[in-house]
Amino acid sequence: SYDLNQPPSVSVSPGQTASISCSGDKLGNKYTCWYQHKPGQSPVLVVFQDNQRPSGIPARFSGSNSGNTATLTISGTQAMDEAVYYCQAWDYNTVIFGGGTKLTVL
Amino acid sequence: QLAESGGGLVQAGRSLRVSCAASGFTFGDYAMHWVRQVPGKGLEWVSGIDWNSATTGYADSVKGRFTISRDNARNSLYLQMNSLRAEDTALYYCVKDMSPGPIGTQNGGMDVWGKGTTVTVSS
Repeated sequence: SYDLNQPPSVSVSPGQTASISCSGDKLGNKYTCWYQHKPGQSPVLVVFQDNQRPSGIPARFSGSNSGNTATLTISGTQAMDEAVYYCQAWDYNTVIFGGGTKLTVL
Repeated sequence: QLAESGGGLVQAGRSLRVSCAASGFTFGDYAMHWVRQVPGKGLEWVSGIDWNSATTGYADSVKGRFTISRDNARNSLYLQMNSLRAEDTALYYCVKDMSPGPIGTQNGGMDVWGKGTTVTVSS
């Protein structure tokens, strides 16, 4: 089975840049999406097709994908960005989620 | 825009069907999915179906026990869950795909999520 690996946690100071990685075999050959999930709320799509932002998602969210690693970058991180972030890709006809990364803004 | 229903407490080995009512978009134009989350754990994709029910996909953990279906005339998505196990206990989200399918050809993401319905399986 195909696995996506994320670090369990990342910490960042307000106003700084946060980077969250997602690794998988030849992940760069697949499209990757990223979701933001805050407690008590439903997940929100923040990046799709590696680097595209849905309407309404702030420009500080960006993504990249190459080789075996996809990266979600949050520039000028704000306190409201504190959440769990999941990467997602397709493996044949199955959706795979990464284990999630807890982003702490402190 | 997506409202799940039908969750509840059920004994292990029994069946349950959860439903999802869609509104605010052309339901029949998009693939749909069920994604679940065990409390305190991560997201797990359960199943997906393309716009016209031609193709479906299932996680290995539910294959042979769960069946996804849709009724485009009723703007509704369903998940029939049989032979339920304690490990199926989770919050089940109904989710809209950005593309119509077929399942496995998507290159977008899942852009609309319901609030979820809780399924609890007692052993």
